Amino acid sequence: SQQGEEDPQALSIQEGENATMNCSYKTSINNLQWYRQNSGRGLVHLILIRSNEREKHSGRLRVTLDTSKKSSSLLITASRAADTASYFCATVGGGSNYKLTFGKGTLLTVNP
Amino acid sequence: GAVVSQHPSWVICKSGTSVKIECRSLDFQATTMFWYRQFPKQSLMLMATSNEGSKATYEQGVEKDKFLINHASLTLSTLTVTSAHPEDSSFYICSASPRGSGTYGYTFGSGTRLTVV
Repeated sequence: SQQGEEDPQALSIQEGENATMNCSYKTSINNLQWYRQNSGRGLVHLILIRSNEREKHSGRLRVTLDTSKKSSSLLITASRAADTASYFCATVGGGSNYKLTFGKGTLLTVNP
Repeated sequence: GAVVSQHPSWVICKSGTSVKIECRSLDFQATTMFWYRQFPKQSLMLMATSNEGSKATYEQGVEKDKFLINHASLTLSTLTVTSAHPEDSSFYICSASPRGSGTYGYTFGSGTRLTVV
């Protein structure tokens, strides 16, 4: 089952602009991960943030996590046309359940 | 880095036939692999957890007799779609974690586009 919602469902921006995508989830988590998927391809792991972390950076990516609101955001700064893809958040629950539960995804289009 | 190889990348088959999809971890051992299904413009739905040396764990609503999973070695899991029908047409993706847990990122195969005609 889906963990929650991502918004927006689609986002279109110009190169150089920042892109922000949000993700909400319903149950307690061990960690939250963001993945990227180019059309018709597999997923690429971008970044993982643990439940006791609030913010994490990796290159042009910045992820925040608010466990009180059960939400996360992914910020891509200085976007490039090559960033065009679908972006999914996925959560891993507590305990020994290591399954990923995906959100519905955001389709990001970066126009050159 | 961790690499998961999935084959074939696409397959077309006739209704009633069976199709096998392979998922291999190339540079690490994976006691657990996951199989997902993705419909166009939708998210990934977990179908089953593949466990090396034991039976797969299927998600609710997934027919285990339709989607046979075998994880005979630490580097190979296979998904066989039996007696395929057009409604089985979809994008199937596998994943595994080099660390064997969800506390680090997962590596995904490149996916298999199945079309049943």
